Amino acid sequence: GAGVSQSPSNKVTEKGKDVELRCDPISGHTALYWYRQSLGQGLEFLIYFQGNSAPDKSGLPSDRFSAERTGGSVSTLTIQRTQQEDSAVYLCATMGTGPYEQYFGPGTRLTVT
Amino acid sequence: GQNIDQPTEMTATEGAIVQINCTYQTSGFNGLFWYQQHAGEAPTFLSYNVLDGLEEKGRFSSFLSRSKGYSYLLLKELQMKDSASYLCAVRDRTGGSYIPTFGRGTSLIVHP
Repeated sequence: GAGVSQSPSNKVTEKGKDVELRCDPISGHTALYWYRQSLGQGLEFLIYFQGNSAPDKSGLPSDRFSAERTGGSVSTLTIQRTQQEDSAVYLCATMGTGPYEQYFGPGTRLTVT
Repeated sequence: GQNIDQPTEMTATEGAIVQINCTYQTSGFNGLFWYQQHAGEAPTFLSYNVLDGLEEKGRFSSFLSRSKGYSYLLLKELQMKDSASYLCAVRDRTGGSYIPTFGRGTSLIVHP
């Protein structure tokens, strides 16, 4: 596709359940970032993938959060044993090697009840 | 890490000019970004500054002073559709990760 896509667009889950969020990047973009944005807050960095290098996981808030990127393309963010404070919009962004702008996907709105 | 400060909210009149400031502290500066985010939507790229000076793009301009840790986004001929949140983000090369860190954003309200 022409842009970054994410699925699902909305996810409501019960506390304690696991969820998986998906990001399909722009073809050829080697850098991929996951952020989350809580109501009225800025974007909080979670994890960064660059090509075949080991991901930078320094922003993951706890060991319940993990992410992988298969074949340098699609990425999934997994949250285990969800808590209410995990409720937020999870945004994926990619960046090519040329211009330095990040292209954001539409986000997944996660609500933990 | 970085400390990024920008005003929480600003209001302006349609047709006017508004300047949104951003100050930052970082040890390995490698570029400053401005993004626009309408409510319920993803951020969209507006500008990128890595050298001092003014970058102009249509009604929007962005300025950077690396020595002062300061940037501003200037919006001219404001339109109602410019009502949005404006995010300042700074990229740091410390550790080689080049990860942009975002401020909390400035909510701009344009009224008639």
